[in-house]
Amino acid sequence: GAGVSQSPRYKVAKRGQDVALRCDPISGHVSLFWYQQALGQGPEFLTYFQNEAQLDKSGLPSDRFFAERPEGSVSTLKIQRTQQEDSAVYLCASSSSPLRFFGPGTRLTVL
Amino acid sequence: DQQVKQNSPSLSVQEGRISILNCDYTNSMFDYFLWYKKYPAEGPTFLISISSIKDKNEDGRFTVFLNKSAKHLSLHIVPSQPGDSAVYFCAAELEFGNQFYFGTGTSLTVIP
Repeated sequence: GAGVSQSPRYKVAKRGQDVALRCDPISGHVSLFWYQQALGQGPEFLTYFQNEAQLDKSGLPSDRFFAERPEGSVSTLKIQRTQQEDSAVYLCASSSSPLRFFGPGTRLTVL
Repeated sequence: DQQVKQNSPSLSVQEGRISILNCDYTNSMFDYFLWYKKYPAEGPTFLISISSIKDKNEDGRFTVFLNKSAKHLSLHIVPSQPGDSAVYFCAAELEFGNQFYFGTGTSLTVIP
């Protein structure tokens, strides 16, 4: 596709449930980023990949959050034992330059 | 601690007038600044950027001004159009970093 795609677009999870969020970056983009955007806030950095290497995971809020990009293209953000404070829009972005191209996001609601 | 701040959560402007969106930052090491525009249910899309070595960058109706001494940047939209109604985020980046630091956004409404 022409842009970054994310799936699912919406996810409702019960507290304690595990979720997996998928990101398909723009083909050929080396860098991939995950952001968390809480209601009324700007996106906040979670983690960064260069190809398959996770070079920075300093923004992951807890060890319940795990991201991977095993073949250097598609990435998955996994949240284990979801909590209500995990409710947010999770944005993925890819880039091959200073510019980042964002996907539409996955809105996660934890009940 | 919020390193990039947008103190106006919302702004309303009449069509045809100028929209001015403001952004302040605290880290003097930021090297690159960007504005993103976001429509509901869509991801942010790049609008315009400016390097820290410049004080102005213009692209059509959009101009970004950077005042490094004041650690302030602004986005001017002239003339404003109803289709400009969206949430605008400013973002800043360090030269040797990989994080964008986003502001909290300003919701612009252009009234026809």
